[in-house]
Amino acid sequence: RKEVEQDPGPFNVPEGATVAFNCTYSNSASQSFFWYRQDCRKEPKLLMSVYSSGNEDGRFTAQLNRASQYISLLIRDSKLSDSATYLCVVNIPTSGTYKYIFGTGTRLKVLA
Amino acid sequence: GAVVSQHPSWVICKSGTSVKIECRSLDFQATTMFWYRQFPKQSLMLMATSNEGSKATYEQGVEKDKFLINHASLTLSTLTVTSAHPEDSSFYICSALSSYEQYFGPGTRLTVT
Repeated sequence: RKEVEQDPGPFNVPEGATVAFNCTYSNSASQSFFWYRQDCRKEPKLLMSVYSSGNEDGRFTAQLNRASQYISLLIRDSKLSDSATYLCVVNIPTSGTYKYIFGTGTRLKVLA
Repeated sequence: GAVVSQHPSWVICKSGTSVKIECRSLDFQATTMFWYRQFPKQSLMLMATSNEGSKATYEQGVEKDKFLINHASLTLSTLTVTSAHPEDSSFYICSALSSYEQYFGPGTRLTVT
């Protein structure tokens, strides 16, 4: 089983739609979780960290379910500019420190 | 936010030559930096974790003798692709860790001909 798994998509949604992505992780000792956004041929940019209690930033809501070992990202009122690949990142303990593993990414296309 | 730079941003080299990529944290000190590789339409694959003052930790399947990592200071890590081959052509991205948050460099696009 992969350490971090995502549905690669693409998710094609109309402007204004609500879309949700899930990401599952295999290591129950993981402590930190993040959603990144990556535009074509660019480096990933942090979208938001994911906290145990769930957190919201404008149109974006992230949630963590430790029992089922998944995180989710909800985007409301999708804009054309939201079209990108969304990567979940999970930190995994290793040899006294952590390493950060990316999911495969989920491609989102918001259509006019 | 924190800034991480990479140099060069793109490089074309001939097969068999070596290429060095630099990753610098510009406004913070990073004891840990990560090196990733991304092939077209794929996600970032962690290659190695670079720790200042000690040997890098490589992921399974990544040849440590081919991808030499040196983290000589708290603001600089270098990745040298030795004896590059066309299959090494990829997008190489570094990140620096600050308080459990990663800050990414803009990436280096390597093309080996």
